[in-house]
Order: sequence, then C-alpha cells, then structure tokens
Amino acid sequence: DAGITQSPRYKITETGRQVTLMCHQTWSHSYMFWYRQDLGHGLRLIYYSAAADITDKGEVPDGYVVSRSKTENFPLTLESATRSQTSVYFCASSEGGSGNQPQHFGDGTRLSIL
Amino acid sequence: SQQGEEDPQALSIQEGENATMNCSYKTSINNLQWYRQNSGRGLVHLILIRSNEREKHSGRLRVTLDTSKKSSSLLITASRAADTASYFCATGPNNAGNMLTFGGGTRLMVKP
Repeated sequence: DAGITQSPRYKITETGRQVTLMCHQTWSHSYMFWYRQDLGHGLRLIYYSAAADITDKGEVPDGYVVSRSKTENFPLTLESATRSQTSVYFCASSEGGSGNQPQHFGDGTRLSIL
Repeated sequence: SQQGEEDPQALSIQEGENATMNCSYKTSINNLQWYRQNSGRGLVHLILIRSNEREKHSGRLRVTLDTSKKSSSLLITASRAADTASYFCATGPNNAGNMLTFGGGTRLMVKP
C-alpha cells in the first residue's frame, strides 16, 4: 500500500545512547516533517525538509539530527538520548509547504528513554 | 508555543448528538486545517479552510472560520461511536514562514 511508514513502532533505550527513527513515504512528496507529541504540548515540529538534501529546524530541534539523501526517506537521529526526549514521534509528508497543503502522517514511534 | 487552542479540551456526548469543537488562534493565517487522531494512530487530515472562506462542508463535518475573531469551529453532526478520537486544529503558515502549528486538541468521546 502506498503511504508513510515509520519504524520501529516502539523503542526503549537508555540515556546517552544514539537512536534513529525511520520514516519512508511512497508518494514522492517534496516535504517531510518530524513532530513530537507530548501531553500538554500538543504536536511540536522538530525538523522539516523541503526536498532531498534540504532540511530546516522547527520549533524544538535541539538534540536531534536529520538527513534526507533520498526523497522518500527522512530519518531522525537522537545522538545522545535524554529522558526529556521520551515522547511519541510522528513523521509526515505533504506535496507542498507553506502550510497550505494537507499533511499525511505515519502511525508514530513511541520512544521511551530510561 | 501553540498557535491554535482548542476548546473544550474534552467532550463526551451520546451517539446521534452533534459535537462542536472550537479553535482560537493568535496571528493571521492563510488557512486552517482540522485533523483527527484515533488512539495509537497518526493524525488524519479532515478539512482545510482558506482565510477567504467562511464555511466548508465534508460529509457530516462542517467547519466555519471567522478571521475577525481569529476562531474556527468544527461541527460533527449525528455523531457515531467511531467518531471517538482527538481532534486538532492547525494553522499555517506559522511565524517561521512555512509550516503548520497545531493546537493541543479536543478529546471527543461518543457513547453508544
């Protein structure tokens, strides 16, 4: 099925470890996004990408690294995980940016950092 | 910080009743979107209303936008148990120039 898939769905790791969350979309959408969802904060944008090799910071980028070597993939890396990064992470894609296009979301990765 | 704020935070109704959720925002926008999130799933886009539109319909959904009051409402008519979910408004573009900013959501429970 075409769509956007995230892996893993669940991940438990320890503070200080590096962890990478994967995101793959089959629509060839230009834009891809990473959000984190926390109680009391709603959905917050971490990073986004307008095209392959073009990435930009969102509202809460500290502690995260992204890359986009191919249009369909947009991995998110926590270089040295901290407990405050325990959250549910969502990847999304859209045809265009400027907030004028619907975004299509994956089902999320629930990340726990002990 | 959240641009959109939904009200109420939680809503519980009986099947067949209408559900109304409100969203207020602070700065001028080009469009406003509504999304649904079922438990344990990602957000699903419901409807987009542009700043020059006042009302939009999609099936049992009706969205209104009042730019003078910086507010929007989502009405779900004849609700069903399957409508139980969280509903989010999102405004765009945000102050960074490009992206959507999501509110904290309304949790809707529809009792059969």
